[in-house]
Amino acid sequence: DAKTTQPNSMESNEEEPVHLPCNHSTISGTDYIHWYRQLPSQGPEYVIHGLTSNVNNRMASLAIAEDRKSSTLILHRATLRDAAVYYCILSLTQGGSEKLVFGKGTKLTVNP
Amino acid sequence: GAVVSQHPSRVICKSGTSVKIECRSLDFQATTMFWYRQFPKQSLMLMATSNEGSKATYEQGVEKDKFLINHASLTLSTLTVTSAHPEDSSFYICSARQGAEAFFGQGTRLTVV
Repeated sequence: DAKTTQPNSMESNEEEPVHLPCNHSTISGTDYIHWYRQLPSQGPEYVIHGLTSNVNNRMASLAIAEDRKSSTLILHRATLRDAAVYYCILSLTQGGSEKLVFGKGTKLTVNP
Repeated sequence: GAVVSQHPSRVICKSGTSVKIECRSLDFQATTMFWYRQFPKQSLMLMATSNEGSKATYEQGVEKDKFLINHASLTLSTLTVTSAHPEDSSFYICSARQGAEAFFGQGTRLTVV
């Protein structure tokens, strides 16, 4: 299975940008990079995904290294509601279905 | 956006009984749904892939006779925890994909006493 490595935890201040790193050195050419986040006692929520090019949406930006062995999720202005566990996931296709296998994620704390 | 709904959100059952958890895709059809389990302070662990009209595919180490999955329609998958024991107490989460995006239910917290 393609695996990802993330820091266990990170801390940020409100209104400041946050850069959440992810290493995926064994990524294959067809693996998409997905980011999800999970608030306590809730199901995960989609944040963003990409393949090769950097991506932007209303929630965040995703910067993908040229060799695709790492990526960074960027929250441009952290708010208290962004405090969550952020998961970087490589989609895995087996048996015709594309499934998401979660790693340990990064717990983001946002200080007021 | 698409919504996946789980029911119940919380359930307490006695040891030895069975519990059924429902997962519905409310505004889209899902031929495939996924079931996860999450223990406190741990990540989500994929248990099985639920396939509409056919047998579920279980991950290694997950007992298919204990965790019965039925995906009888394009909008409903159910997970039944049979003969539940306290070690089955966990947070169970389902998801369904629409395009590249996966939508997750709000989770079911199962407590076996």
